[in-house]
Amino acid sequence: AQSVTQPDIHITVSEGASLELRCNYSYGATPYLFWYVQSPGQGLQLLLKYFSGDTLVQGIKGFEAEFKRSQSSFNLRKPSVHWSDAAEYFCAVGPGNQFYFGTGTSLTVIP
Amino acid sequence: NAGVTQTPKFQVLKTGQSMTLQCAQDMNHNSMYWYRQDPGMGLRLIYYSASEGTTDKGEVPNGYNVSRLNKREFSLRLESAAPSQTSVYFCASSVPPNRGSEQYFGPGTRLTVT
Repeated sequence: AQSVTQPDIHITVSEGASLELRCNYSYGATPYLFWYVQSPGQGLQLLLKYFSGDTLVQGIKGFEAEFKRSQSSFNLRKPSVHWSDAAEYFCAVGPGNQFYFGTGTSLTVIP
Repeated sequence: NAGVTQTPKFQVLKTGQSMTLQCAQDMNHNSMYWYRQDPGMGLRLIYYSASEGTTDKGEVPNGYNVSRLNKREFSLRLESAAPSQTSVYFCASSVPPNRGSEQYFGPGTRLTVT
């Protein structure tokens, strides 16, 4: 069965520190993978996506993610976090008519 | 180009009342989706419409009905609201999934059922 696991419910980092958010997926075929960000009271905005090719993908706002098939992972990284990155982050897997979302990781950034 | 729009933004219902959540997209997408978001549960698919004239159940369809009115519009109806349907509802759209597109989300409707 298809599923996405985000093991960290909440992460706190200092501004300027590096960030890694974990995502593990279960999918029967070659997955399409996505990271979305949700600011409080807002909808979801796409950060980046992986369909094929280079396993390191770059996204908006300085984020990147690496697809590791052997580990069934698609972790999100940012070298230096800004206070405006505080938000909820969702990993999702497709394709197909049903995207499967993880339960999200809430990021707090402290000055 | 407004993207995906949803109305209303907020709604309070009493148990047993009915209402329809409206969603429209102006990106000429074939596929549209309704999700609910609950704390600690992520997003769960209620219904989707792969193309105009078709709808299918998602993970949590009970208590909901949908209508794909045309290519632009996809509405979600609660016939008899229950407190368990208190949630934030998101509409999304995409090109056909086999083309590997991401989903584009609306701003959400926050629904409270008392």
